[in-house]
Amino acid sequence: RKEVEQDPGPFNVPEGATVAFNCTYSNSASQSFFWYRQDCRKEPKLLMSVYSSGNEDGRFTAQLNRASQYISLLIRDSKLSDSATYLCVVDTYSGAGSYQLTFGKGTKLSVIP
Amino acid sequence: DAGVIQSPRHEVTEMGQEVTLRCKPISGHDYLFWYRQTMMRGLELLIYFNNNVPIDDSGMPEDRFSAKMPNASFSTLKIQPSEPRDSAVYFCASSGAGSDTQYFGPGTRLTVL
Repeated sequence: RKEVEQDPGPFNVPEGATVAFNCTYSNSASQSFFWYRQDCRKEPKLLMSVYSSGNEDGRFTAQLNRASQYISLLIRDSKLSDSATYLCVVDTYSGAGSYQLTFGKGTKLSVIP
Repeated sequence: DAGVIQSPRHEVTEMGQEVTLRCKPISGHDYLFWYRQTMMRGLELLIYFNNNVPIDDSGMPEDRFSAKMPNASFSTLKIQPSEPRDSAVYFCASSGAGSDTQYFGPGTRLTVL
């Protein structure tokens, strides 16, 4: 089983739509969770961290379900500028003060006018 | 502040040649990471350093790959000899102590013919 799994998409949605991405992770010892955004031919950038209680940043809402080892990202009122690949990222402590980020392969979103 | 700086941005070389990729992390960051991204495998961690010391190099594919960090402001990733299957985008990222957020450089797009 892959460590972090995402639906690769693409998700093609009209402007203004609500879209949700899901991600599952295999390591129950994982400590921290993130969504990164990667534009075409650019580097990944942190979009938001994901907290157990869920968190919201404007149009973006992230949820974590530790029991099911499941993370979600909801984007409301999609904008053309939201078109990108969204990477689910899990941070796992691997001992001796060592943490390691494991990236999913990403879900591609295209917002259509 | 300058972000993570990588050079070169693009590299085209022939099989068998030595390739050296360079990275300057964000000033004050204690952690430096080297990643490789391909369509097939996504973003993979190759090696990371803490305070210039290699902590985990289990992601380095084989002995042809080596990485050094001679000081806090410079790291290199070397491939010798290069092979066509090494073609990928290589990212360097850095983070500060106690922070989960990694800041990525723009990447080096490597093509090995």
